[in-house]
Amino acid sequence: DAGVTQSPTHLIKTRGQHVTLRCSPISGHKSVSWYQQVLGQGPQFIFQYYEKEERGRGNFPDRFSARQFPNYSSELNVNALLLGDSALYLCASSRTGDYGYTFGSGTRLTVV
Amino acid sequence: QQQVKQSPQSLIVQKGGISIINCAYENTAFDYFPWYQQFPGKGPALLIAIRPDVSEKKEGRFTISFNKSAKQFSLHIMDSQPGDSATYFCAASISGSQGNLIFGKGTKLSVKP
Repeated sequence: DAGVTQSPTHLIKTRGQHVTLRCSPISGHKSVSWYQQVLGQGPQFIFQYYEKEERGRGNFPDRFSARQFPNYSSELNVNALLLGDSALYLCASSRTGDYGYTFGSGTRLTVV
Repeated sequence: QQQVKQSPQSLIVQKGGISIINCAYENTAFDYFPWYQQFPGKGPALLIAIRPDVSEKKEGRFTISFNKSAKQFSLHIMDSQPGDSATYFCAASISGSQGNLIFGKGTKLSVKP
């Protein structure tokens, strides 16, 4: 079975630009969460979606938005990129939104 | 304050030794405590998890010990191997918000042959 897949794996953007990151959950998983992991730190929660509804939002500015599609894949959008947005963005999925979240390998975003 | 404090920041253990990583939390509403293992360039992988109604859980060489009154939990890796060298994160979440994991800052474990 394929795990959680994220694309692209690496990305370089310029300050002020917009970026879209994509996530395909494990087949049968209906919940997706997004995390930001800055180098040397633990992941920080950004959003959770379950059955296409937003279930939770972390302490991130409105420049960050996300959505979940009918096939349960998800997109994370970040507008007006700042240097501080440089990080590994992780997507995790769960069958029911309960426990046992499985993480993808992430998208490494570098803002220059 | 929804925070999980993890120690030590780094740990060096000889092959065959026991690795111990500790975490403490403040929010008594937390009811799920997983441990994740992360290798460079990879996402975190779930190792083992515990609920507060259990004081200990063992899976192979990995054991979680949980002390509800002290609001602390720890990961013990028995017979540590060089392949265990990775960064370990403790985390916690609240019932109904399991998709919102609060992570510790991580412990970088090096197991020397």
